[in-house]
Amino acid sequence: QQQVKQSPQSLIVQKGGISIINCAYENTAFDYFPWYQQFPGKGPALLIAIRPDVSEKKEGRFTISFNKSAKQFSLHIMDSQPGDSATYFCAATRDDKIIFGKGTRLHILP
Amino acid sequence: GAVVSQHPSRVICKSGTSVKIECRSLDFQATTMFWYRQFPKQSLMLMATSNEGSKATYEQGVEKDKFLINHASLTLSTLTVTSAHPEDSSFYICSASSGAKNIQYFGAGTRLSVL
Repeated sequence: QQQVKQSPQSLIVQKGGISIINCAYENTAFDYFPWYQQFPGKGPALLIAIRPDVSEKKEGRFTISFNKSAKQFSLHIMDSQPGDSATYFCAATRDDKIIFGKGTRLHILP
Repeated sequence: GAVVSQHPSRVICKSGTSVKIECRSLDFQATTMFWYRQFPKQSLMLMATSNEGSKATYEQGVEKDKFLINHASLTLSTLTVTSAHPEDSSFYICSASSGAKNIQYFGAGTRLSVL
């Protein structure tokens, strides 16, 4: 059973456009929702995270929108740049474990 | 920010040999370290969780005698893949946390190729 569902699997966006990645979860016990960015051959790096008592968090060009009632959250990358091309994982945490989504491969066209 | 160093970054070995991967927290004390496995174009799957000075807790389906984990100090954890076989070829990633376990800092990963 997949606890964190992520879509789309891959995404192509023009430079300067907005990249949007969506995630949904089932377990209401999750208490922290991080997003990770992973470049090929590297480990994931924490990009931005949100707690369920907040509806939106913005850091630079990256924004998380969180809908607790719908159990959905999304990552928006504004003014997307070729350097943003990577795989993005949404995640949810419970106790001491991180449950990752399946990932979205984002490609920004120059 | 917190830095986690993982070594080696890549290892190629013959079938039947054992391989050790090190994970170090460079600028903080890691009370808990995690080991993940990632297949190409797939997500990270937690293999085991280790707390300093105690035995690791393995996820269901992970052979503890196959994947030996040692967390002897607050800055070092090791994963040893024993009697490696080609199906063990994968990308292994460690992470470490110093308090809130939902905040983990990841190493750069180790690409293991078993011939």
